[in-house]
Amino acid sequence: GDSVTQMEGPVTLSEEAFLTINCTYTATGYPSLFWYVQYPGEGLQLLLKATKADDKGSNKGFEATYRKETTSFHLEKGSVQVSDSAVYFCALQTGANNLFFGTGTRLTVIP
Amino acid sequence: EAGVTQFPSHSVIEKGQTVTLRCDPISGHDNLYWYRRVMGKEIKFLLHFVKESKQDESGMPNNRFLAERTGGTYSTLKVQPAELEDSGVYFCASSHNSPRGYTFGSGTRLTVV
Repeated sequence: GDSVTQMEGPVTLSEEAFLTINCTYTATGYPSLFWYVQYPGEGLQLLLKATKADDKGSNKGFEATYRKETTSFHLEKGSVQVSDSAVYFCALQTGANNLFFGTGTRLTVIP
Repeated sequence: EAGVTQFPSHSVIEKGQTVTLRCDPISGHDNLYWYRRVMGKEIKFLLHFVKESKQDESGMPNNRFLAERTGGTYSTLKVQPAELEDSGVYFCASSHNSPRGYTFGSGTRLTVV
C-alpha cells in the first residue's frame, strides 16, 4: 500500500543553517507529493507540492524536488530562521481523495 | 474567509466516557475530512464526507467512532466509549471541489486517562 517514510526528529539547527528533511515514499501509480507544516498552536498548512516527476515545489525559501528514480521528496532550505520552527509532514496522494502522511519532523531553530 | 474551525481545542476525559468533537468547514466546501495523529506517529485518514454523505470511511478504527455531517455543514466525530488508545490529535479539513485544495483546522487534542 501507499506509505511515506520521513526522517526522524527532532532536528535542532542554528539560525542560517542549511536544512534537509528526508522523505521517501511507496505508492502505486503516480502520486502527488506534498509538504505540510504545523506551526505552534496552528493547523496544518500546505507548504509546497509537486504533481509529477522532476517537478520542484517551492515556497518561503523551501524547496523539494519530486524524484521518481529514488522515490524521494526531500525538503531543503538554505538558511533557516527562528520562525521556521515547526513540525513538518511529508504526504502523498494517489488518485483517491485521502492523503498519506509521514510521522512528522519537529524542527527547532535557535538564534 | 474564515478558516476551518475545530472545537474543543483540548479535551481530557476518562476511559469509558463519551466525547464529541466538532468541525466547522469553510463555507461552501462540500468535501470534509477527518484525520488523526496518535502520539508520535503519522497522521492517518479517518473518513471523507461529500456534503452530508460518507464518501469513504475506510479509516475509521472501529465502531466506537461515529461521524456525522448534518445538512452538509458542520461535522461531529463522537467517540463512545473512549479508550486510552484514542488519545491523539484529531484534524479536520475541507475543500471545495478538489482534494488537492485542503484547508486544515488546528486540531483537537484528545487525552483519555
